Amino acid sequence: DVKVTQSSRYLVKRTGEKVFLECVQDMDHENMFWYRQDPGLGLRLIYFSYDVKMKEKGDIPEGYSVSREKKERFSLILESASTNQTSMYLCASSLELAETQYFGPGTRLLVL
Amino acid sequence: KQEVTQIPAALSVPEGENLVLNCSFTDSAIYNLQWFRQDPGKGLTSLLLIQSSQREQTSGRLNASLDKSSGRSTLYIAASQPGDSATYLCAVGMDSSYKLIFGSGTRLLVRP
Repeated sequence: DVKVTQSSRYLVKRTGEKVFLECVQDMDHENMFWYRQDPGLGLRLIYFSYDVKMKEKGDIPEGYSVSREKKERFSLILESASTNQTSMYLCASSLELAETQYFGPGTRLLVL
Repeated sequence: KQEVTQIPAALSVPEGENLVLNCSFTDSAIYNLQWFRQDPGKGLTSLLLIQSSQREQTSGRLNASLDKSSGRSTLYIAASQPGDSATYLCAVGMDSSYKLIFGSGTRLLVRP
């Protein structure tokens, strides 16, 4: 079974802090994704990576950056956290593009 | 612009009932469609993926159908159980890339 893990289930940070969210998958998947999920807005793609050190912006990349130094690990970075980045963050991976995406358990981030 | 709609937003049924969840999309030129399950505060679990050339997919008590021409997909759950209680999301892939467009979900409660 594919396993996607996220470093934290819950995080509380202060406005202006730099925040790192980490995601690890154990199935040698090429593709990894970061989404945020908000009530009434559904899931929105922040960033996508299709290979080590390769990334593409999703629909809402502003205020975020990503890092993929190893195939299994994809990090989401909030350079200077703001209250409007309070959300549920979901990481996913897939073997092939346009195929099944496997999701991690999510990180619920609260920015005060 | 593709829009994905799931109606109803919430559904409550007694245990044992067969039920149908609906997903509609505005642009019929889709590549595939996926159904996911999300338990409260958790990540998404992939249930079924239907390619655009397929009409249906089955897994256990779940059957998903796809009618591209009418812009509709249904998820049929047979003999519902309380453990089926969750939010069910559909997501449309528009091409062979990575992008998924998610519906807002149907929150299902199966009463014992």
